Amino acid sequence: DVKVTQSSRYLVKRTGEKVFLECVQDMDHENMFWYRQDPGLGLRLIYFSYDVKMKEKGDIPEGYSVSREKKERFSLILESASTNQTSMYLCASGWNEQFFGPGTRLTVL
Amino acid sequence: SQQGEEDPQALSIQEGENATMNCSYKTSINNLQWYRQNSGRGLVHLILIRSNEREKHSGRLRVTLDTSKKSSSLLITASRAADTASYFCATDYGGQGGSEKLVFGKGMKLTVNP
Repeated sequence: DVKVTQSSRYLVKRTGEKVFLECVQDMDHENMFWYRQDPGLGLRLIYFSYDVKMKEKGDIPEGYSVSREKKERFSLILESASTNQTSMYLCASGWNEQFFGPGTRLTVL
Repeated sequence: SQQGEEDPQALSIQEGENATMNCSYKTSINNLQWYRQNSGRGLVHLILIRSNEREKHSGRLRVTLDTSKKSSSLLITASRAADTASYFCATDYGGQGGSEKLVFGKGMKLTVNP
């Protein structure tokens, strides 16, 4: 059974903290994606990667960075968390069809 | 924005009825996909239709694509309570460097009452 896993389902952090969200896929996909999902706004692409050590900005990269050191792992980093980054974060991998992880609901206080 | 738009934003029907959801988009696409999201979970891929296809079926799902109108519809026949979820259309405009980005709509909420 194909799988995309995310390190946490729920996370609470304080303003200014550095936050790491981890995503691992077991399907040997080259493409991996990070989205955030907010009510009324749908899914918005933050960053994506089409190969190890390669990354491309999505539609809303400000305040985020990413790391792809290994093919199966794609990390999203919030350098200094802010309250407006409270959201559901979804990781996905795939070509054409995307496979999603269960999501991380991040609250920044 | 290239974001697709689902219509209606919310739909409530009785079990056994058919549910139709529409998606409109703005520019030429390579393909259009539909995803389902159960409450608070990740998205699950339902069906993909390519720009040169007009209709596709998968089980109780039927998708149509009209590229001249830049619109697609998803029909769920004989709905079940388990179909209660949010549904998203996603358009693939093609990417650079081999990447395939999708642009998701805002989603629509389907409630199937038992």
